[in-house]
Amino acid sequence: DGGITQSPKYLFRKEGQNVTLSCEQNLNHDAMYWYRQDPGQGLRLIYYSQIVNDFQKGDIAEGYSVSREKKESFPLTVTSAQKNPTAFYLCASTRQHRLDEKLFFGSGTQLSVL
Amino acid sequence: SQQGEEDPQALSIQEGENATMNCSYKTSINNLQWYRQNSGRGLVHLILIRSNEREKHSGRLRVTLDTSKKSSSLLITASRAADTASYFCAMTTGANSKLTFGKGITLSVRP
Repeated sequence: DGGITQSPKYLFRKEGQNVTLSCEQNLNHDAMYWYRQDPGQGLRLIYYSQIVNDFQKGDIAEGYSVSREKKESFPLTVTSAQKNPTAFYLCASTRQHRLDEKLFFGSGTQLSVL
Repeated sequence: SQQGEEDPQALSIQEGENATMNCSYKTSINNLQWYRQNSGRGLVHLILIRSNEREKHSGRLRVTLDTSKKSSSLLITASRAADTASYFCAMTTGANSKLTFGKGITLSVRP
């Protein structure tokens, strides 16, 4: 079945540690996105990639980094510079980065700080 | 930044009743989408309505768009317990093709 796979489902970060969240899609989509969701808040865009080897900052990119070396994969690294990383992280994809595209989401990763 | 504001924040209804959720926004939009999120899961796309459309249907879902009032509504008819979820409106504006989400509405459908 086609879809987006996020792993792990739960992740714990120690002080000063970098952690990487995985996102893989087999939908053959060009564009991929990372969102952060805090309780009672809407989704906020961290980074997005329109095509392989290209990515742009979203609204809250500070303390995060990404790479897009393969079409299928868009990993997100939460660095030690992100002082408040506890949140639910959602990866999504679309066929193309267009105004009328609907997003397909993964099941999310809950990141907590130890 | 443009962000939809959903109303009400929470809604509790009996199974079989209709649920109406509203979304208002501030600036002109290209299109507006509604998504559903079950607890602890990713979002699922429900419906997209373009700025030149006024109403769309999909199964038990009906979405309206009033660009003069800068608002949209999502109606779920004959609700079921399985409709219990959070519902988000999201929109794109101008040349910015990034989708901006509202804070969501929590719908509880009592069996």
